[in-house]
Formats: sequence, structure tokens, C-alpha cells
Amino acid sequence: QQQVKQSPQSLIVQKGGISIINCAYENTAFDYFPWYQQFPGKGPALLIAIRPDVSEKKEGRFTISFNKSAKQFSLHIMDSQPGDSATYFCASANEISSGSARQLTFGSGTQLTVLP
Amino acid sequence: DVKVTQSSRYLVKRTGEKVFLECVQDMDHENMFWYRQDPGLGLRLIYFSYDVKMKEKGDIPEGYSVSREKKERFSLILESASTNQTSMYLCASSSPGSGTSWYFGPGTRLTVL
Repeated sequence: QQQVKQSPQSLIVQKGGISIINCAYENTAFDYFPWYQQFPGKGPALLIAIRPDVSEKKEGRFTISFNKSAKQFSLHIMDSQPGDSATYFCASANEISSGSARQLTFGSGTQLTVLP
Repeated sequence: DVKVTQSSRYLVKRTGEKVFLECVQDMDHENMFWYRQDPGLGLRLIYFSYDVKMKEKGDIPEGYSVSREKKERFSLILESASTNQTSMYLCASSSPGSGTSWYFGPGTRLTVL
């Protein structure tokens, strides 16, 4: 059962365009929603994150929009650049039943290509 | 600069071999995780540990075991490697509490022939 559904699987955008990646979650216990960026040969790195008590968070060209009632959140990359070409993962975190740790559940990933 | 290191970037093993993947973090994090990454499936949690000598199964623990004898080190063990365990393996660490970041290692690309 996939608890975090991500789309699209791949995305091609022209330089300067807007890239939009969408995620939907099922578990209402999720309370932290990060996005990770992964370049080839590297591990994922935190890009931006949001808590469910706010509807939007912006950091530079990257914005997360969050809709708690719809259980959806999205990443917007404004003025997309070739250097943004990477794989993007949405994720959702929740406290594990033991209370001793938190678990991160990932979406399936989006391969973004920004054409020069 | 925070760092999670993994013992090998590439590994080729034969079916039936016992395989050890090692991960070390230098951030004094309590929590450590092993994920496998496959195209179209994202990252799936194999095992995690929230303290030394403690371990918990993730979503896909079958065929794997783990060991955490020291806080900074978390090992993933494939008791008898199979071809369907060919994958990218990623280690991560985090500190307790909400809103904290998971820090990932560079990954180990394991091929089982």
C-alpha cells in the first residue's frame, strides 16, 4: 500500500518555466512534509519542508503548497534552471507507535529535466 | 559539515553470498535507517534503529537483518543474497523530534549475479 503518491513520474520543462510536482498522502498521522532533491550518484538531500499548520512555504525559487483537507501537497520550482535537473521525492513523516523515533515515507520520485 | 558515509559505492556479489553494508554517521544521531531505492518505487524502508542495540522492521525487512553495536554505526546484512536484492541501498540518520532532517549517505549500488 503506497501511502504517499507522487506525480508525474517524469517532467520536462524549458529553462525559465515553472515545474510542478504533486503528492497525495493517506495517513492523517503524518505531521511533517519534506521534499528531497537527488542528483545522480548522490544521496537525497533536504530541499524544503512544511508542517500542516501552514498552507505555503517559500524558499527562494522553491515553494511548497499544502492542502490539509485534500491531503495533498506540491512543489513549485519557479524560473527552472538546467541545474535543477534531478530526481525529486516528496515525503511524509510520522511518529512511530513506539514513540521512540519518527518514520519517513517517500513518494515514488519525479525525474525533472530542465532544457537549456 | 554533517556526514553519513557508506562503506562501498559499488558492490558485486553472487547469489547465496552473505553481504554486509556498513554506514557511519558523525552527527551523534540516535536514529539510523536503511532504505532501498528502485526506479518507480521511490525509497522503501528496510529497517531502522532508534538506539544502540535496538532495531525495528520497516516496510520490506524480508531477507535482511541489521546490527547496531555502536551509536555511530548501522550495518545492513543480506544473509543469502538473491538477484531481487539488486538495488541502490541508502543509509540515513536523524535526531529525535518532529521537524528534524534525515541525512542520507551517497548510497551503495549492489548487484547480485
